[in-house]
Amino acid sequence: DIQMTQSPSSVSASVGDRVTITCRASQDISSWLAWYQQKPGKAPKLLIYAASNLQSGVPSRFSGRRSGTDFTLTISSLQPEDFATYYCQQTNTFPHTFGGGTKVEIK
Amino acid sequence: EVQLLESGGGLVQPGGSLRLSCAASGFTFSSYSMSWVRQAPGKGLEWVAIVSYSGTDTFYADSVQGRFIISRDNSKNTLFLQMNSLRAEDTAQYYCAKGVLILGVTRMLDYWGQGTLVTVSS
Repeated sequence: DIQMTQSPSSVSASVGDRVTITCRASQDISSWLAWYQQKPGKAPKLLIYAASNLQSGVPSRFSGRRSGTDFTLTISSLQPEDFATYYCQQTNTFPHTFGGGTKVEIK
Repeated sequence: EVQLLESGGGLVQPGGSLRLSCAASGFTFSSYSMSWVRQAPGKGLEWVAIVSYSGTDTFYADSVQGRFIISRDNSKNTLFLQMNSLRAEDTAQYYCAKGVLILGVTRMLDYWGQGTLVTVSS
């Protein structure tokens, strides 16, 4: 199975900060990576698909990039509603494994 | 509006069985793959299983292979997860999610239900 390693596991940041989360695949997954946001007690929400494509309705402060087997999710200017846990998921090969998650907390 | 409503969760003893359902509306159910994803209390997301739009193709996580069966009834717009030989480590919130295909392959999950809680305990 493909392992997805997310880092950091948590980050403390302030409103207006730039935040970057990384996800590393254990083998080549092409660009088949999605990012999700989950708030406490809620279902996950799709943010980005195919590494860098913004899902409809998602603010443009969210962006994704791929460099080989490393993927990044960047929030350019953190907003109060962005405090949540973020997950990556590879969809290149079954099983479609998730990363361990990154909790973005208020500093 | 796309809606996914899970049901069927509850408390079950180790070794027992449970059948989850996910009622879908607001989209052409028979045209999309569907998945189950679970989340143990306080833990991250775990992909569980997927079924193709027609129901003919299924894939499972190693942790549930041989114990869980995913299926669908396109005439009733409903997704199922039959869970057998349940273990304590199967305790989780179970979400159903709608797949989006790119070039015929599911590449992301764009709508999720609110989940149903399964607790495996004696």
